Amino acid sequence: SQKIEQNSEALNIQEGKTATLTCNYTNYSPAYLQWYRQDPGRGPVFLLLIRENEKEKRKERLKVTFDTTLKQSLFHITASQPADSATYLCALDSNDYKLSFGAGTTVTVRA
Amino acid sequence: SQTIHQWPATLVQPVGSPLSLECTVEGTSNPNLYWYRQAAGRGLQLLFYSVGIGQISSEVPQNLSASRPQDRQFILSSKKLLLSDSGFYLCAWSGIRVSLGANVLTFGAGSRLTVL
Repeated sequence: SQKIEQNSEALNIQEGKTATLTCNYTNYSPAYLQWYRQDPGRGPVFLLLIRENEKEKRKERLKVTFDTTLKQSLFHITASQPADSATYLCALDSNDYKLSFGAGTTVTVRA
Repeated sequence: SQTIHQWPATLVQPVGSPLSLECTVEGTSNPNLYWYRQAAGRGLQLLFYSVGIGQISSEVPQNLSASRPQDRQFILSSKKLLLSDSGFYLCAWSGIRVSLGANVLTFGAGSRLTVL
């Protein structure tokens, strides 16, 4: 069966450090992998996406890698700030109108 | 610019009562529309999606239904709610973002449903 697994449910880090989140999947052939941020009680907000033929993507302090052989994406928040505290969701897009989401990893950045 | 509106934001309903959640999108035409549900501490579960008026695809068998009476309107309904229907319901729309060449979802603010 298809499965999307994000590493630990919660990640606590100190301000200024790098947070690294993992997204692993099985039985998918995604054309894209997307990352969203969700604040408590709000809808997710798109952050960035990476295509199956791309290895790495950056946007400001965010970096995403995509390894289709390992079936894994890593999401990095560098120089983390308390404002980065949120739940981060990975989503797989198999080019069929539907996005399938992982359960998310909640990041808490301590000042 | 495109905006998405979803209501009501919060509702508490007794078991067996009906449900209607509404979602509208402005600033775009022929969007793909979606209903997701998020249970506490869980990921997003796709319930329904629609690629056009009157076209509804159901992902999970349940006592919920969806309708798309107009191009930018998407409604989630139930005739009789169950306790297990409690959750955070999210409407979303997508369209190809030219700069990205891919479908990206824009979510509404969500509707928190508690069934007692």
